[in-house]
Amino acid sequence: GAVVSQHPSWVICKSGTSVKIECRSLDFQATTMFWYRQFPKQSLMLMATSNEGSKATYEQGVEKDKFLINHASLTLSTLTVTSAHPEDSSFYICSARVGRNQPQHFGDGTRLSIL
Amino acid sequence: AQKVTQAQTEISVVEKEDVTLDCVYETRDTTYYLFWYKQPPSGELVFLIRRNSFDEQNEISGRYSWNFQKSTSSFNFTITASQVVDSAVYFCALSEASGGYNKLIFGAGTRLAVHP
Repeated sequence: GAVVSQHPSWVICKSGTSVKIECRSLDFQATTMFWYRQFPKQSLMLMATSNEGSKATYEQGVEKDKFLINHASLTLSTLTVTSAHPEDSSFYICSARVGRNQPQHFGDGTRLSIL
Repeated sequence: AQKVTQAQTEISVVEKEDVTLDCVYETRDTTYYLFWYKQPPSGELVFLIRRNSFDEQNEISGRYSWNFQKSTSSFNFTITASQVVDSAVYFCALSEASGGYNKLIFGAGTRLAVHP
């Protein structure tokens, strides 16, 4: 149980392209989903918290217009990296949980490379 | 302010050795939750354990065991008879019960390499 699917696993695209990453909870309803970014050999950095039906809460320093988050249903959240540039290249990971203080369950991550 | 410290950046052991990964946390909340996650080379994070602040009982799950000591603000993780498949980065994390969304505060992670 508690499976989170993230798609795509790999993305390679040209600078200026917008990229959408999907995060789905497959066997549970997630009121809250989280988006993280991870640089090589570093810890996870929380980018934003996504709640179904409401606007995402972004962490300090994360550009809202750059990283668009939509949480349209209890099983799906999307992260769109708009007009991506090489500095946006990173490993992006989503997580979902059933309720407060419950474990977050993570997707497999998306490796984004912007050329 | 909340903080999680994993002082060991990298640990290298030979198969069958026991290894302990340290985790020290800081929080002003009386109610909080501690977690351990494993991140193998493939990248996904695997949930290992959750412990709440009122439960100091140690836990054992197969070769894994956890020692929670509030007196020292530590939540250490021991792997007994390590195996090559245990090679991964292990993250300790803290979540406070108060405040919005109860986000996870991650430590820097400990990279464990188990050699045959």
